[in-house]
Amino acid sequence: LAKTTQPISMDSYEGQEVNITCSHNNIATNDYITWYQQFPSQGPRFIIQGYKTKVTNEVASLFIPADRKSSTLSLPRVSLSDTAVYYCLVGDGTDKLIFGTGTRLQVFP
Amino acid sequence: EAQVTQNPRYLITVTGKKLTVTCSQNMNHEYMSWYRQDPGLGLRQIYYSMNVEVTDKGDVPEGYKVSRKEKRNFPLILESPSPNQTSLYFCASSLQVNEKLFFGSGTQLSVL
Repeated sequence: LAKTTQPISMDSYEGQEVNITCSHNNIATNDYITWYQQFPSQGPRFIIQGYKTKVTNEVASLFIPADRKSSTLSLPRVSLSDTAVYYCLVGDGTDKLIFGTGTRLQVFP
Repeated sequence: EAQVTQNPRYLITVTGKKLTVTCSQNMNHEYMSWYRQDPGLGLRQIYYSMNVEVTDKGDVPEGYKVSRKEKRNFPLILESPSPNQTSLYFCASSLQVNEKLFFGSGTQLSVL
């Protein structure tokens, strides 16, 4: 069964780059890695998705090594509004989806 | 507007009283799923559905039922709720299983 592991929390300051790593040793061959952001009392919101190597969009980058056993979400120049919980999501080879326990990012002024 | 709509937003009930949480999406998505969120445990999948009349268990299906009679609706049913089902519930949908998930606003359920 696929399982993901993330740091419980991270602190940063405005303007810094933040990297959050997720470990997913048993990711299925054909499954993608997706990251979501969640604010209190709201549903998670899609940030970025990738299969391998590097993916970049207007808000983040996702780095996936060749063995795909981990992934790193990179948030450039964070602001106070990036304070949230970040989840990585992988499949387990069936059609189930496995969320990590989330990383609580606190951004300070 | 493309969205996933869950109702109710808040629900307080008593042990054993059957309840249904509704979920509807207007994006013609094939994949729909339910999650519960508890402190320190993140999001755990309860049930999912690949298409109409196709449903399957997620990680924590005990005590829950679902149905998918129409593509847009995926209600979550608690036949006999218990206090350990007190949680925050989210419905989500996507075009296919590996695509971007759209989440509803959540249902905070308290079972007394």
